[in-house]
Amino acid sequence: KNEVEQSPQNLTAQEGEFITINCSYSVGISALHWLQQHPGGGIVSLFMLSSGKKKHGRLIATINIQEKHSSLHITASHPRDSAVYICAGHNTDKLIFGTGTRLQVFP
Amino acid sequence: KAGVTQTPRYLIKTRGQQVTLSCSPISGHRSVSWYQQTPGQGLQFLFEYFSETQRNKGNFPGRFSGRQFSNSRSEMNVSTLELGDSALYLCASSLILAGGPNEQFFGPGTRLTVL
Repeated sequence: KNEVEQSPQNLTAQEGEFITINCSYSVGISALHWLQQHPGGGIVSLFMLSSGKKKHGRLIATINIQEKHSSLHITASHPRDSAVYICAGHNTDKLIFGTGTRLQVFP
Repeated sequence: KAGVTQTPRYLIKTRGQQVTLSCSPISGHRSVSWYQQTPGQGLQFLFEYFSETQRNKGNFPGRFSGRQFSNSRSEMNVSTLELGDSALYLCASSLILAGGPNEQFFGPGTRLTVL
């Protein structure tokens, strides 16, 4: 069993839909990162959170420390949101990654 | 402010050769981490350097090594390349602040192909 698990692995949506990606972890972490990776490989850090909720534009990330669970929500999805979304637990100066969720948003 | 840069962006080597990849962090960032991404294993942590010292190392063989210079630039080296070393190698830098984890900023990666 991976220390950081994501679901679903693949997700397709119509433009405008509300999207949720889930991440659960079994290892002790000091923070949870959400990353976005576009084709070509570049990774962008979306959020780093240790508790509660953060919002940036149409993206919302939440974390429940007791349940060891985090979610990434995308409101009013757009084709440009198509990418791989990766959660990663921050554990003693290293990141432990989930396997990623491939999101495709169709117009 | 310039982002994290990695050179070269693409590299083709043959089995048995060695390779050196370079990473220049964001100005002022003193921590550099290296990651390997493959289709089979996903993203995995290689090592992390801070102030020229390796603070943490992932579960990779000794063929994988790295170093950091006084200007925070970092290099990683892979000796005796194997086919399975073909991967995207990413580095990330962070500004180490007291009191907890810091956001990591990723470079574009070096795509290594071993033939």
